[in-house]
Amino acid sequence: GNSVTQMEGPVTLSEEAFLTINCTYTATGYPSLFWYVQYPGEGLQLLLKATKADDKGSNKGFEATYRKETTSFHLEKGSVQVSDSAVYFCALSDPGGTSYGKLTFGQGTILTVHP
Amino acid sequence: EAQVTQNPRYLITVTGKKLTVTCSQNMNHEYMSWYRQDPGLGLRQIYYSMNVEVTDKGDVPEGYKVSRKEKRNFPLILESPSPNQTSLYFCASSFTGTYHQQFFGPGTRLTVL
Repeated sequence: GNSVTQMEGPVTLSEEAFLTINCTYTATGYPSLFWYVQYPGEGLQLLLKATKADDKGSNKGFEATYRKETTSFHLEKGSVQVSDSAVYFCALSDPGGTSYGKLTFGQGTILTVHP
Repeated sequence: EAQVTQNPRYLITVTGKKLTVTCSQNMNHEYMSWYRQDPGLGLRQIYYSMNVEVTDKGDVPEGYKVSRKEKRNFPLILESPSPNQTSLYFCASSFTGTYHQQFFGPGTRLTVL
C-alpha cells in the first residue's frame, strides 16, 4: 500500500535559518504529492503540490521538488520566520488507488521558529 | 466565505454515549471525507463520500458511521464511543475533479472517558 515517511521532529530553528523537512514515499501508481500546513488550533491548509516527476511546487517562500528516482518530496525554505511555526504534513494522492480522493499523510513535523 | 465548519469543536463524553459530529461545507463540493489525527500517525481516513447517498470506508472505519443525505452535510456518528476513539477529527471536502485540493475544517477534539 501507499505510505509517507517524514523526518523525525520536532524541528527548532532561529529566525532566518534554512529549513529542510525530509519526506519520502511509497506508492503503487503515479501519485501527486503535497505539503499541508496546520497552524495552531486550525485545520490543514494546502501549502504546495506537485503532480508529476520533476515538478517543483512553491508557495510563500517554501518549495519542494518531486523526485521520482529517490521517491522524495523534501520541503525547503531559505529563511524561516516566527510565523512559519506550525505542523507540516507531507501527503500523497494516488489516482490509481482503490479509495478515491484519499490522501495518505506522513506523521507530521512540528516546526518552532524562535526570534 | 468559503469554508468547512465542524461542530462541536471540543467534546468530552463517556464510553457508550452516542454522539454526532457535524460537518458542513458551503462550496457545493461533491467529495467529503473524515480523518482522525493521532500523534505519530498523521491523519488517517475514516469514511468518504463521493456524492449524496454515496459513502465508502476509508482505512479506519470501525466504530464509526456516516451519512450523506444532503450535499453540504456529512455527519460522523459514534454509536458507542470508546476511549480508543479519543482523537482530533477533521472533515474535508473538494470538487470531484480536484480531489487533491481538499479544504479542511478546523477540527473537533474528542475525549472519551
